[in-house]
Amino acid sequence: QQQVKQSPQSLIVQKGGISIINCAYENTAFDYFPWYQQFPGKGPALLIAIRPDVSEKKEGRFTISFNKSAKQFSLHIMDSQPGDSATYFCAASWAQGGSEKLVFGKGTKLTVNP
Amino acid sequence: KAGVTQTPRYLIKTRGQQVTLSCSPISGHRSVSWYQQTPGQGLQFLFEYFSETQRNKGNFPGRFSGRQFSNSRSEMNVSTLELGDSALYLCASSRTSGWEQFFGPGTRLTVL
Repeated sequence: QQQVKQSPQSLIVQKGGISIINCAYENTAFDYFPWYQQFPGKGPALLIAIRPDVSEKKEGRFTISFNKSAKQFSLHIMDSQPGDSATYFCAASWAQGGSEKLVFGKGTKLTVNP
Repeated sequence: KAGVTQTPRYLIKTRGQQVTLSCSPISGHRSVSWYQQTPGQGLQFLFEYFSETQRNKGNFPGRFSGRQFSNSRSEMNVSTLELGDSALYLCASSRTSGWEQFFGPGTRLTVL
């Protein structure tokens, strides 16, 4: 099943709080799990990515947690700021026919209140 | 380094018309992918071009087509527009293909 299920659809967090977005997948052939961030009027931009043989990756306030056995991964945003308000997409890639394919979750609209 | 550019940024068309969208990838990137973004469906993959050849295709009707030129610039065409084609069309480029894609700002298409 070449899809990624993302939740929640929307999320409201207070400034300084922790934002958590979850994604689940079925296809064990996925070989990379990136997260993209999209601000209004802009295209998505790569935020952080993780390989399935790594359980956690941290970049600044952003952390991906990966649970291979549960086929789930999540994005944690620590000390959330109003500037983090954006739509976040999880994604998964896999190799097929000599190229890498990419599928996206449906997105989570994050609002961080000041 | 200049990012991915898309023209035009906004388009208004009526049902039955056709439209052509343009994308200029980052210099040195040979792969160009197109996505349709709508509030309900998120980012849906249309197709990918690499070295002027369509390498992958999503589940969209034949009204959606594209091409890539020798300088890696790409165009996407939608014929016989329907109301449901109203969306943000995003172009993304990468060196070869894969999970690291660089998106343009998109073209907002409205079909009346």
